[in-house]
Amino acid sequence: SQQGEEDPQALSIQEGENATMNCSYKTSINNLQWYRQNSGRGLVHLILIRSNEREKHSGRLRVTLDTSKKSSSLLITASRAADTASYFCATRGSTLGRLYFGRGTQLTVWP
Amino acid sequence: GAVVSQHPSRVICKSGTSVKIECRSLDFQATTMFWYRQFPKKSLMLMATSNEGSKATYEQGVEKDKFLINHASLTLSTLTVTSAHPEDSSFYICSANSDGRGANEKLFFGSGTQLSVL
Repeated sequence: SQQGEEDPQALSIQEGENATMNCSYKTSINNLQWYRQNSGRGLVHLILIRSNEREKHSGRLRVTLDTSKKSSSLLITASRAADTASYFCATRGSTLGRLYFGRGTQLTVWP
Repeated sequence: GAVVSQHPSRVICKSGTSVKIECRSLDFQATTMFWYRQFPKKSLMLMATSNEGSKATYEQGVEKDKFLINHASLTLSTLTVTSAHPEDSSFYICSANSDGRGANEKLFFGSGTQLSVL
């Protein structure tokens, strides 16, 4: 399967703490993307990291990619209650736009 | 960012009826759109790739006669769940690249449609 798999499945933290989510995948990739989904809504793109990149930052988000281990991590620093959502990693298939998603990590940030 | 509009957001229907879900790109042209299905606390499953002016490409295991896809214009793709049954109840989401050529790799998603078949 080309799907990514996120770990942990659920994460519960207090506001101000950092949240780290991991993603593992099985096949070689061109890029890996992270998306966020609020309950009952569509997904919102957060960040894309290419296979030749090791780390990328965007605001409070930090993504790492280790292609030798076929894994990625998403770090949200100084979390807020508004960060409560499901977070998915996605890998691209052979066709542009065909993304394969994992089951997501449900993040709950308590105020 | 690019906007993808999906309608309806929620639909309840009787078993045996057909349901049409629309996905529109509002401020860009999308030659390709993608349809996903999501079960509770499960990953998104790619169902098919919708291609403007040509037949959709279905993923393995997805019944093309059950899930009819039409992409008649550069801004509209529709998914019709034919003869719906309770097992078709799910959350359906469409998405598109903002760059019709696919050079921009991130996807923009509609807000999803929650289908409940009684």
